[in-house]
Amino acid sequence: DTGVSQDPRHKITKRGQNVTFRCDPISEHNRLYWYRQTLGQGPEFLTYFQNEAQLEKSRLLSDRFSAERPKGSFSTLEIQRTEQGDSAMYLCASSLVRGSGGYTFGSGTRLTVV
Amino acid sequence: EDQVTQSPEALRLQEGESSSLNCSYTVSGLRGLFWYRQDPGKGPEFLFTLYSAGEEKEKERLKATLTKKESFLHITAPKPEDSATYLCAVQEGAGSYQLTFGKGTKLSVIP
Repeated sequence: DTGVSQDPRHKITKRGQNVTFRCDPISEHNRLYWYRQTLGQGPEFLTYFQNEAQLEKSRLLSDRFSAERPKGSFSTLEIQRTEQGDSAMYLCASSLVRGSGGYTFGSGTRLTVV
Repeated sequence: EDQVTQSPEALRLQEGESSSLNCSYTVSGLRGLFWYRQDPGKGPEFLFTLYSAGEEKEKERLKATLTKKESFLHITAPKPEDSATYLCAVQEGAGSYQLTFGKGTKLSVIP
């Protein structure tokens, strides 16, 4: 297993366009998380899935953001009508239901909105 | 008010000069405190989870400790490859699996 994979690594988009990111978790992990990180800040929680069910969503998450995890495997995060403030690193992580509690993060997708 | 505060923001050490990073938290009902290491352009790498006051964990030159209000990450005889940003995160309450991160401490170890 090569860990948590995220695609693309970098995305530059024009303001107002829609973008979609993909995350492939570690195969046996049934929990999947999305975080956002801006320069000089720690990661900020966006949403979390257990299998295919989206169980928790940040109150800060705009309705322009939507995430899915069909069949409990890979996940996608879509941002509609992007704004310059959406520019950030989008991180995906996965974990087991029972374990040491540590989440395994991917290398992230860096989004730049111009 | 920030729930997780890390200090210092940045730390420069000579190789072999031991020091500690601090993480203070104000959450109630702590379920776990996590330490991560993050290299530039990469995702955080899991180091430790601590669950209760008095608990300690070690890995190579790193040792993490936990009290009721703060956690310390002790770095013994650091090497240049220990240079990174160290992030602290807390998980609180029953039924929530989100982590709340601090802003991190950027550690530079000079040869």
